Amino acid sequence: AQTVTQSQPEMSVQEAETVTLSCTYDTSESNYYLFWYKQPPSRQMILVIRQEAYKQQNATENRFSVNFQKAAKSFSLKISDSQLGDTAMYFCAFMKHGGGGSNYKLTFGKGTLLTVNP
Amino acid sequence: EAGVVQSPRYKIIEKKQPVAFWCNPISGHNTLYWYLQNLGQGPELLIRYENEEAVDDSQLPKDRFSAERLKGVDSTLKIQPAELGDSAVYLCASSLDSDYEQYFGPGTRLTVT
Repeated sequence: AQTVTQSQPEMSVQEAETVTLSCTYDTSESNYYLFWYKQPPSRQMILVIRQEAYKQQNATENRFSVNFQKAAKSFSLKISDSQLGDTAMYFCAFMKHGGGGSNYKLTFGKGTLLTVNP
Repeated sequence: EAGVVQSPRYKIIEKKQPVAFWCNPISGHNTLYWYLQNLGQGPELLIRYENEEAVDDSQLPKDRFSAERLKGVDSTLKIQPAELGDSAVYLCASSLDSDYEQYFGPGTRLTVT
């Protein structure tokens, strides 16, 4: 079974600064996806960024980028130019690719609560 | 494009009562998921549908939980009877197919007293 670990329960950052959220995972699979989801107080889970394991290039989405280290099973999220609206719970998630059955479920970490201060 | 719709947003019931949650996925999305999110935790999958077929219900407590997705569109998740430990947020998500990004609804917060 896959496990996802987020070792930082809470973090804070000043507006306009950069912050990095950590995530490690454990799997014996070679073909999988990794995701970062954002959940603001409204509870709506929003996809921030996605990384395919077979791609060596790190994914980026505007101010959000990842550092994917496959051998180390590490998948950190960097938020640049932090904005007040980035305040939310951030979840790292794993999904095995292919094979049907229970392979397409997302396995989430426990989350990191990020607060952006003005 | 409308997102995943869930209702109700909040529900308070007494233990041993039945409760039902409704989900309307994004139009054209074949795969639908129900997740349970306890306070301070990440969501955990309860059941996954591909069209009207439940292809993964291994985490669904079948003694009290049931779900259906008639006609492969809307879905209903039911708990009968509810227990105090069922208090949580129930999230619905949908994806174009199983191998695509999942889009979540706002969830239903259930409180069992």
